Amino acid sequence: EAQVTQNPRYLITVTGKKLTVTCSQNMNHEYMSWYRQDPGLGLRQIYYSMNVEVTDKGDVPEGYKVSRKEKRNFPLILESPSPNQTSLYFCASSSRVGANVLTFGAGSRLTVL
Amino acid sequence: GIQVEQSPPDLILQEGANSTLRCNFSDSVNNLQWFHQNPWGQLINLFYIPSGTKQNGRLSATTVATERYSLLYISSSQTTDSGVYFCAVEGISGDYKLSFGAGTTVTVRA
Repeated sequence: EAQVTQNPRYLITVTGKKLTVTCSQNMNHEYMSWYRQDPGLGLRQIYYSMNVEVTDKGDVPEGYKVSRKEKRNFPLILESPSPNQTSLYFCASSSRVGANVLTFGAGSRLTVL
Repeated sequence: GIQVEQSPPDLILQEGANSTLRCNFSDSVNNLQWFHQNPWGQLINLFYIPSGTKQNGRLSATTVATERYSLLYISSSQTTDSGVYFCAVEGISGDYKLSFGAGTTVTVRA
């Protein structure tokens, strides 16, 4: 089944404790992206990647890092999480051939205390 | 960046009713998508519709790119249509960056 898999789905952590949210897709998509969803704000893009070893900042990159060492994986790293990073996070991917139709992961709900 | 405005912010429907959701955007686009987020949080692509009209069952969408808006129609609504509907657009710069609106929350009552 074609899908985007995120882990963990739920996480409660404390301020300053580094964490990584993994994202993997099995569709051989070139494009991958991370979004955060907050009430009333829709989805805001954190980082995106057009292909392996190519990453760019989105609208809200502060406090986050990403890497794209393999085509299928695009982890989101919070080096020193803060309470304002409490949010619902989505990973998405798409092919660069034709329409950029996004396939989303199931989401990761992160709480930083 | 492109500004995306969706209206109305909230919509309450009786089962069987029809409704129209609107998405306005501030610049020319080469990509426009509608998504449905169900009550469990899952995001599903409904339409890729940078221009023209498409239909999928009880849902249809129309984008008038020259006037910078898109409409999503829900006919004969069902309780399973409840959730948040998002419009997302990509500008003509070709950077594959989709900007999302704040969404329309639809509640369909039995």
